[in-house]
Amino acid sequence: AQKITQTQPGMFVQEKEAVTLDCTYDTSDQSYGLFWYKQPSSGEMIFLIYQGSYDEQNATEGRYSLNFQKARKSANLVISASQLGDSAMYFCAMRDFYGGATNKLIFGTGTLLAVQP
Amino acid sequence: DGGITQSPKYLFRKEGQNVTLSCEQNLNHDAMYWYRQDPGQGLRLIYYSQIVNDFQKGDIAEGYSVSREKKESFPLTVTSAQKNPTAFYLCASSQDREGQPQHFGDGTRLSIL
Repeated sequence: AQKITQTQPGMFVQEKEAVTLDCTYDTSDQSYGLFWYKQPSSGEMIFLIYQGSYDEQNATEGRYSLNFQKARKSANLVISASQLGDSAMYFCAMRDFYGGATNKLIFGTGTLLAVQP
Repeated sequence: DGGITQSPKYLFRKEGQNVTLSCEQNLNHDAMYWYRQDPGQGLRLIYYSQIVNDFQKGDIAEGYSVSREKKESFPLTVTSAQKNPTAFYLCASSQDREGQPQHFGDGTRLSIL
């Protein structure tokens, strides 16, 4: 069965510093996709970044980058130059191809990030 | 503005009562999804639909029902059979193509009276 593991329940980072949020996954599928979402305290889920299993380069979106290590089955999110507004819950998710719906997602349990001034 | 609208924001259910959560999207997405989130946990899939008049059970469908009569709308009914309905419910939609992200509504918080 496919699975997403986020081992850091919570993290602190100083404003303006970089932080890495860990995500490991388990799948026997050769074609898969990994997503990161941000959930502020208000509850909405905000899409941050996507990495396809066949993408040769690590995905980047502004201050967000994805450190994709296929052999280790890890897809860590790196946030550079942290801002107070980055304080939120962060979820890693994987596209479940076997589920029958192209974009059906499996979510990890999340990491709560607190940015300190 | 294109987006997903969930209503109501807060909902209270009495014992033995069915309640319906609304989800409307104007993004012209084919696929729609309902998730449940419990405190401190990730999202779990309740139901999803890839096309009008068709939907599939997710991982925790027991005690829930859905309909997809229009492309824009995917309401979720929490029935009296769902014994622990208190949770945060999120609706999402996406283009039914590989790699397309799901876009989420602001959620509905359901509590038991």
